[in-house]
Amino acid sequence: DTGVSQDPRHKITKRGQNVTFRCDPISEHNRLYWYRQTLGQGPEFLTYFQNEAQLEKSRLLSDRFSAERPKGSFSTLEIQRTEQGDSAMYLCASSPGGEGYEQYFGPGTRLTVT
Amino acid sequence: KQEVTQIPAALSVPEGENLVLNCSFTDSAIYNLQWFRQDPGKGLTSLLLIQSSQREQTSGRLNASLDKSSGRSTLYIAASQPGDSATYLCARAGTASKLTFGTGTRLQVTL
Repeated sequence: DTGVSQDPRHKITKRGQNVTFRCDPISEHNRLYWYRQTLGQGPEFLTYFQNEAQLEKSRLLSDRFSAERPKGSFSTLEIQRTEQGDSAMYLCASSPGGEGYEQYFGPGTRLTVT
Repeated sequence: KQEVTQIPAALSVPEGENLVLNCSFTDSAIYNLQWFRQDPGKGLTSLLLIQSSQREQTSGRLNASLDKSSGRSTLYIAASQPGDSATYLCARAGTASKLTFGTGTRLQVTL
């Protein structure tokens, strides 16, 4: 399968716990994006990578959030000390890089914080 | 603030009807405009991408247009089918091709 994959698909955690999500982009795609989608809303940009470099972070990404993309391949998004407001669908997308290219989205990770 | 607005928020049509979904955006400095489909609880499926230099794109029963000067895009669906029922999202690509999404139009096609 050459699409974007995300793991896990669903995560239920208790408030205060740490969680980590993984995204595997399409092979050789240089750019990787993270978005967050809450119920009834469109996705909102969180951060993006060009290869292994994290080039921009949204103000939505508080200091409890950290993202990495070691070696410019897969990426991880970690949320520390989760809060109920973190409950959302976390979407990953990749593109070949540069401007104007189509972004291909993964199936998302749905996080529920109880 | 760059905003994307989609009208209507929800739409119900009988099978076979042609329909138009609307998307407007406040910043005309875009690289492209993408239309996505999202089924409940699922990720996004890309339908059409219109580059900023283009006016429209077609794929099967779908046609999307882009008017940068007025900040508008439309998605036309011909001969709607129950399988078209989903939420349709438009998104403008700005700097670094970051996507700014609308809140979507929830479409229900009835038998």
